[in-house]
Formats: sequence, structure tokens, C-alpha cells
Amino acid sequence: GQQLNQSPQSMFIQEGEDVSMNCTSSSIFNTWLWYKQEPGEGPVLLIALYKAGELTSNGRLTAQFGITRKDSFLNISASIPSDVGIYFCAGQQLISGDKLTFGTGTRLAVRP
Amino acid sequence: EAEVAQSPRYKITEKSQAVAFWCDPISGHATLYWYRQILGQGPELLVQFQDESVVDDSQLPKDRFSAERLKGVDSTLKIQPAELGDSAMYLCASSLSGADTQYFGPGTRLTVL
Repeated sequence: GQQLNQSPQSMFIQEGEDVSMNCTSSSIFNTWLWYKQEPGEGPVLLIALYKAGELTSNGRLTAQFGITRKDSFLNISASIPSDVGIYFCAGQQLISGDKLTFGTGTRLAVRP
Repeated sequence: EAEVAQSPRYKITEKSQAVAFWCDPISGHATLYWYRQILGQGPELLVQFQDESVVDDSQLPKDRFSAERLKGVDSTLKIQPAELGDSAMYLCASSLSGADTQYFGPGTRLTVL
């Protein structure tokens, strides 16, 4: 099935650094979501975006819904060791019955 | 805080055997989803229920996979017979309705030997 393009695939950073990752698609989405998944667990919702251009924050996390509705960005400021995990974007289209299409994931490792 | 429950958390089986996974969604959530997540990839939808009815099972391999939600609450996903390529994480999610936020359970990690 279709998966959205996420980059980078993986990141290995120093604690305290800021992190940026993005997600792109050839299709338009009505909603963009960002999830975090830790080993052996299900994805946990971090941020939901509902309007083109929307910028939303959740603590140290900030995400944006791209103007073209074909992309989204997630930034993590001042990373800490517990930020380790895989971050997935997901797009939702009304035309496909609100089905979620997930990205390929960005694996984040934080060095203390 | 209400959570999606799944069991078992881990399952090891031999190919050609039957396996079943169970999901109990958040109370009051009408929509239930089963996803398959292959290692290193994002989850992919297998089947979506609205109450007890299947809304989307276009990606469900119906020759070996079946899913039911008889009373519109909990759900079972079955694989018979299991194949080596079925090894993956099987995730259940639920939402109030199809357009609402999906909340995921912890998943069942299936290994087929």
C-alpha cells in the first residue's frame, strides 16, 4: 500500500539539540497527524493538524500543516533522552473514508 | 485514562497454524481498525469497522485473514493458515467515529516460524 515519504530516515543527535523532520506526499490530505512509537508499543498521537498553514505546539514539539496540503513538518526543541523512538506522520483524506496513510518513519536516537 | 486493549502481546506460531488476536476498543468508540506493521515500516490498514459493520477491508487478504466485531464492541482478527510473511506487529485502533482521532493499542507481535 501507499506510504508517505518521511525524511530523514534516522537521526542520531546530542541531548539538547533541536530536531526537524518532514513528510511529503503526492496527494492532498485534509488532516495531518504525528505519532511516536516506542519499541514494542503502539503509536501514540503527538499532534493533530486540521488546516493548511496551521502551526500547532505540544510542549517542546511543534508541527505545521503545509500550505499545499501535501506536506507536514515536525520540530522537537531541546531534545532529551526520552525523545528516543520512531516518529510517524500520517495523512487522512475524507475522499478515502478517513483512512490513515502512514509515513515510513523517522528513527530518533539521542545521545546523553 | 481509557486505553485500547490487545491480547496477546506476543505470539509465536508455526506456519500453517491458526492464530487469533483480540482487541477491546476505548468505551464508546464506534470505529475500530486493524493495522499490520512490518518491521521498519508504518502501519497499513487491514480492516475498518463502524459498529459491527465492515467499512473497508480492501487490503485484507481474505483467503487467510478474517475479522469480526459481532456486537460492535470488541473484535477478533484471525489468520488461518499463517505464513512466514505474516510475521509483523498487528495493531488495533479505535476512534469515536471515522473522522476522529485514532488511538492505538500496544499491538500483538506475531512471529511465524
